Amino acid sequence: DAGVTQSPTHLIKTRGQQVTLRCSPKSGHDTVSWYQQALGQGPQFIFQYYEEEERQRGNFPDRFSGHQFPNYSSELNVNALLLGDSALYLCASSLKGATIETQYFGPGTRLLVL
Amino acid sequence: GDSVTQMEGPVTLSEEAFLTINCTYTATGYPSLFWYVQYPGEGLQLLLKATKADDKGSNKGFEATYRKETTSFHLEKGSVQVSDSAVYFCALQGGSEKLVFGKGTKLTVNP
Repeated sequence: DAGVTQSPTHLIKTRGQQVTLRCSPKSGHDTVSWYQQALGQGPQFIFQYYEEEERQRGNFPDRFSGHQFPNYSSELNVNALLLGDSALYLCASSLKGATIETQYFGPGTRLLVL
Repeated sequence: GDSVTQMEGPVTLSEEAFLTINCTYTATGYPSLFWYVQYPGEGLQLLLKATKADDKGSNKGFEATYRKETTSFHLEKGSVQVSDSAVYFCALQGGSEKLVFGKGTKLTVNP
């Protein structure tokens, strides 16, 4: 049973560039959530996708956008990168409507903005 | 809004010592509570969970009890091992379904 996978594992960009991160959910899951984890901090919720639509959004600017595909995989896009966007980006998947919508995390993509 | 407060780290223990990491929360309603663990260079792994008052979550020798009266979910283990060295995150999931995390507590266990 494949768990949550993310690509790439590491990425280096420069300020002003754009980046796309990818996530494949755990088998049987239909909901994908994205989190940003700055160094030494707990993860912060960015947004959640279900049925190919953004369902919830945290306190992040519009530079952060996403997409969910019919196979439930998801992308996170960040435009006009800032130094402060350097972080570990975590994807989590869950099953909507489950008794407990437990979220399972992937290994993350570490983004460094120079 | 919802929030989670964890004890400040880092925590350093000797092997076989008793571990407690305190976690308290603020939330409307009755959230589900979780402990996640993050090993160096890795993502988060679910350690244990509890969904209602007085539930006890347990896994790999770790335990935590959902205490509604004190809004707490403290993590405990009777005898830690070097392999338990990691960062531990307490989190809640309320009606909005997103997870709200504490800042994490780094645990180092020395042989």
